[in-house]
Formats: sequence, structure tokens, C-alpha cells
Amino acid sequence: GQNIDQPTEMTATEGAIVQINCTYQTSGFNGLFWYQQHAGEAPTFLSYNVLDGLEEKGRFSSFLSRSKGYSYLLLKELQMKDSASYLCAVMDSNYQLIWGAGTKLIIKP
Amino acid sequence: NAGVTQTPKFRVLKTGQSMTLLCAQDMNHEYMYWYRQDPGMGLRLIHYSVGEGTTAKGEVPDGYNVSRLKKQNFLLGLESAAPSQTSVYFCASSSGTGFQPQHFGDGTRLSIL
Repeated sequence: GQNIDQPTEMTATEGAIVQINCTYQTSGFNGLFWYQQHAGEAPTFLSYNVLDGLEEKGRFSSFLSRSKGYSYLLLKELQMKDSASYLCAVMDSNYQLIWGAGTKLIIKP
Repeated sequence: NAGVTQTPKFRVLKTGQSMTLLCAQDMNHEYMYWYRQDPGMGLRLIHYSVGEGTTAKGEVPDGYNVSRLKKQNFLLGLESAAPSQTSVYFCASSSGTGFQPQHFGDGTRLSIL
């Protein structure tokens, strides 16, 4: 079967750095997406990785290792507004997204 | 600048009732999707469409039907609602597959009593 694993919840301090991990086992791989979802709102696109390595976009970076079935999202200089759920999703061989359950990130002052 | 619009935003139904959820996008996207989101689970694909007049089943299609008569609209129907269909429903659209991110509507919160 297909499976995406990510921690259920993480807590970090304002101004700090946090890394959210995602491991996957899917039938085929056509890229990995990270989305942010604030409580009661729609998911919004953050990043896309299809090749191994690090993609940096401002305070957010995403890393991919296809051989290990592993990705992480790195958030720097955390702000209170970063409190949200972070969803990892893999596009499989049928070009459909398989979603993880999400990691709820709590930022404390 | 609307993007993806879902109506209604909230609805309460009784078991056995029917209803239709409407999704409209103004980005001229070919692909549209219906997901459900339940606590502790990832988004699950119900049905999707790769263009006007086409529909296909996703991971959890039972109990739902869809139609894509116009490119900008994607309708999700529940013929006979069941309590197990209580969920938050999200519609999404994209211009293609691969690197094309999906853009989501604000969701419909549906409760079946």
C-alpha cells in the first residue's frame, strides 16, 4: 500500500528553527509537495521537490532524498503566524497526490 | 481574484437526504478534484476530472457522484447522505499534473445527523 508518515504535532519557540520530517512509500514518484493549512482554512502550496537536494524559498526550505523516501520542511526565524498544520503529499505513478495526515506546529512566544 | 470558490460553506443534513456541493474556478484550469478531510487522516481523493465532460474515480468514490458540464464548474453530489460522510470537503484545481500545484477552495463543512 501507499503510505506517508509525518509527526502528528510539534512545538517550537518563536524565532527558532524547526524541521518537519516526512517519509513515504508510494507506487511511483512524480514529486513531493508541502502545503500549509491554518485551522479552518484551505491548504496553500509551499514547495515542490522532484530532484534530490534542497530547495530554498525565503524562510522555508524543503529537502528531498528519493533513495531514502524522505523529505523535510525547514522553517527558520519562526513567527507566531507559522502556527498551522503542514501537509506532505507525494504524486504517485498515476499523477495523483497521496497525502500525509499533517503535522500540527505550535509556536510558543 | 476569486480562485476556487465552494458553496455552501456549511451544511447540516439528515441521513438519507441528498445535496450537491458546487465548486467554481476562474483560473481556466483543466484539472479539478474533490477531497474529503477527516481528523487524523490525510486528504482523500473522492473524484477528479481532467477536463470538461470527463470524470474519474479517486480513492473513496462510493456514495458520491460528480459532473463537469462546464470547464469552470465541478459538482459533487451525495444521493443519500450517511453519517460516515460527515467531513470537510475541499475542491481543488490545477493547470496540469507534475509540477502544477493544486489550488484549494475554502472547504464545505458537512454534518450528517
